Amino acid sequence: NAGVMQNPRHLVRRRGQEARLRCSPVKGHSHVYWYRQLPEEGLKFMVYLQKENIIDESGMPKERFSAEFPKEGPSILRIQQVVRGDSAAYFCASSPSHRGNDQPQHFGDGTRLSIL
Amino acid sequence: SQQGEEDPQALSIQEGENATMNCSYKTSINNLQWYRQNSGRGLVHLILIRSNEREKHSGRLRVTLDTSKKSSSLLITASRAADTASYFCATANNAGNMLTFGGGTRLMVKP
Repeated sequence: NAGVMQNPRHLVRRRGQEARLRCSPVKGHSHVYWYRQLPEEGLKFMVYLQKENIIDESGMPKERFSAEFPKEGPSILRIQQVVRGDSAAYFCASSPSHRGNDQPQHFGDGTRLSIL
Repeated sequence: SQQGEEDPQALSIQEGENATMNCSYKTSINNLQWYRQNSGRGLVHLILIRSNEREKHSGRLRVTLDTSKKSSSLLITASRAADTASYFCATANNAGNMLTFGGGTRLMVKP
């Protein structure tokens, strides 16, 4: 399966703990996007990264959230000191270029984060 | 309302019938995309229509775009039970690095 791989599929954390979500893009794709989806809602953009660079983080909360896409390895979305409101499905997508105008984004199956 | 609002929010039809979903948006776009999401899964890209196109077909899918009304429609013909899913429209910002999704239409096709 050469698609976007996200892990874990399900993650349970207690309030105050850290959550780390991983995303391996489609092989050859150098652009990664993270989205958050609440139940019965559409996806909300969080952050767009290229290798070793954050290009657009306008949708990501300024506190407790961070993202990286290192030269080697998967992209990581990190949520520190989680709160109940962080419970959601987090989706990663990738594309071969930044021109989402012309190319669709390929999505993983998401990580469902539950905060106890 | 947010960019990319779908209408209706939920649609229930019988197998074999056609399903039509609508999407409205606010700002100028380069293209509009439709995605499908099965329960518990990620989004699957269905079709992309550019701003200079008015209609596009892909199999049983037909998409129209009216830039003067800032609206699009997705038609699924001869629906099947396997078409049961949520359908989202999405618009890309000018930089092309961010998709803005609507709230989706939840389609149920009864066998």
